[in-house]
Order: sequence, then C-alpha cells, then structure tokens
Amino acid sequence: QVQLVESGGGVVQPGGSLRLSCAASGFTLNDYGVHWVRQAPGKGLEWVAFQRFEGSNELYADSVRGRFTISRDNSKNTLYLQMTSLRPDDTAVYYCAKEIGGGYHYLEYWGQGTLVTVSS
Amino acid sequence: DIVLTQSPATLSLSPGERATLSCRATQSISTHLAWYQQKPGQAPRLLIYEASDRATGIPARFSGSGSGTDFTLTISSLEPEDFAFYYCQQRNNWPLTFGGGTKVEIK
Repeated sequence: QVQLVESGGGVVQPGGSLRLSCAASGFTLNDYGVHWVRQAPGKGLEWVAFQRFEGSNELYADSVRGRFTISRDNSKNTLYLQMTSLRPDDTAVYYCAKEIGGGYHYLEYWGQGTLVTVSS
Repeated sequence: DIVLTQSPATLSLSPGERATLSCRATQSISTHLAWYQQKPGQAPRLLIYEASDRATGIPARFSGSGSGTDFTLTISSLEPEDFAFYYCQQRNNWPLTFGGGTKVEIK
C-alpha cells in the first residue's frame, strides 16, 4: 500500500538550514507529482512546494521561494525539501503528499508530518 | 492568489444531523476544488476532488457540489468519526491555496 514517511524535522536557530526527507513506498515516485504542505501550530494548511512527475518543473509558494528547494532521488524513491535561511514563521508540521494522478493537483496520500521549530 | 473563504468557522451539530459546509473563491475556479478532512494529530485525508468526485474509500454520506466560485460539502448524516476539521483546496491557479477551515464539533 502507498506510504509516505517524513523525517528530518527538529529545532533549528533562525537563519539555519534543515533537510526534510520523505520516503515513499507502494508506488514509484517518478510517476507522480509530489508536494510539500505545512501547518503552523493551531493554524490551517499552507502549500509550500511542488515537483512534477519525472522531477521536472518545480513551483514554490512566495513565502519560501529562493530559500527552499524540492528535489527527489528516484533510486531511493525519496523526496526532499532543503530549507535554508529559516525564520520563526517557518515553524510548522511539514507534510509530503502525493497527487491523485491524471495531472490533477489534489493530494491523495499524505505522510504523518515532521515538526520543524525555528527558535533561538 | 485565489483566496478560499470557508464558512462557518465552527459548526455545532449532533450525530445523525446533516452538515453543510461552504467554500467560496475570489474568482471562478470551474470545478477545480477538493475537500479534505483532518483530525487532531493526523494528516489531512482527501474526501472529494473536482468538486463532486469522491476519493477512493470515502463513504457515500460525503458529497460535494458547486462550480465557479461557490462550493458545498455535505455530510448527510454525521457519524461520531466525522467530527473534525474540513478544508477546501483549489487547483485552478498556482499557487495552490486552501481555505481557512471549518471545525465540525459535537453539539
């Protein structure tokens, strides 16, 4: 069955960097568009980044563009989010998610999330 | 960016009652809208996509309708496990955006 497992969250100082990982199983990552979505404590959902199937065409929210990079390693079936210049308002649970397919940007499967806390 | 406004913010109902949740977009998004359910400490779960198509494994008591700027999620008869947060999301334009959410709580 489809499973997404995030890791790499933790506490980081403002200005620091962190790389999140999302290990996928039950499907081939290369065949689907994938996203990162975050949720600040007690708040709603915010889309962060997208990478098209086959690893082409990345898109980012304005709030993270130039600081975050989405990538994947198809040999490991793993998605990444490299985060730099972190700010306190980046504090959130970060979810990776797989699209439903057919080119529809709806998020059918989600990981359990990993918490990133940016604080001094 | 397309802003999605969900109403009400909180819906207080009893099990067995009908729930009607609204999502309004700042511009037409055709039928390019999804609904998600999220329970505390859990990831969101896709319920409805393309405004009215149920995702795999979603019970028939969940239904979606609407097009253009106004959308509705209806839960025909609330089960105890349906008390949760609900979010709408549009895919018509980048960036993808979510509504602020509706909390369905037990009355």
